[in-house]
Amino acid sequence: EDQVTQSPEALRLQEGESSSLNCSYTVSGLRGLFWYRQDPGKGPEFLFTLYSAGEEKEKERLKATLTKKESFLHITAPKPEDSATYLCALGGDKIIFGKGTRLHILP
Amino acid sequence: KAGVTQTPRYLIKTRGQQVTLSCSPISGHRSVSWYQQTPGQGLQFLFEYFSETQRNKGNFPGRFSGRQFSNSRSEMNVSTLELGDSALYLCASSLSRGNTDTQYFGPGTRLTVL
Repeated sequence: EDQVTQSPEALRLQEGESSSLNCSYTVSGLRGLFWYRQDPGKGPEFLFTLYSAGEEKEKERLKATLTKKESFLHITAPKPEDSATYLCALGGDKIIFGKGTRLHILP
Repeated sequence: KAGVTQTPRYLIKTRGQQVTLSCSPISGHRSVSWYQQTPGQGLQFLFEYFSETQRNKGNFPGRFSGRQFSNSRSEMNVSTLELGDSALYLCASSLSRGNTDTQYFGPGTRLTVL
């Protein structure tokens, strides 16, 4: 059975303190690993899609990487506006989302 | 380009009633997927419509149904509402079917069942 587990559930960082969010997965055939950002009361906002192990994508302070078992979302020198819930998802006929990591950046 | 729109944004219903939610996808997108988001279960896939046909369905009871029109707009219906149906209902549109392409989400409809 395909599964997605995100850790940690919540993370508090000081502004400028870099860290990584983890998304562990098991899947019979990877059809895309997605990262989304969700602000309170809003719909998720697309960040990245990764399709094969070794693939990396960057956008501003965010960098997503993918191995055969997990994906990391690296946040470099975060700012308070990076505070949000970050969701990863396994693409497929019945797309599966993780429970998310609530990230809070303190000024 | 206009984003995904959902109406209404907020809805309050009582147990036993039924509700219809609407979603207008990004122009040119033919796939619309629906999701239920709750604090306990997170974001869960309900179903996907592509070219007016339901292509995939999540693990939800038959009280949850939907349809898609020729202009790709979609509606979701929940009959015989239960307290546990209180949630944020999100729709997302994409160019291709199968939930393997980038999905663009709407702002959601907050449904409260009393």
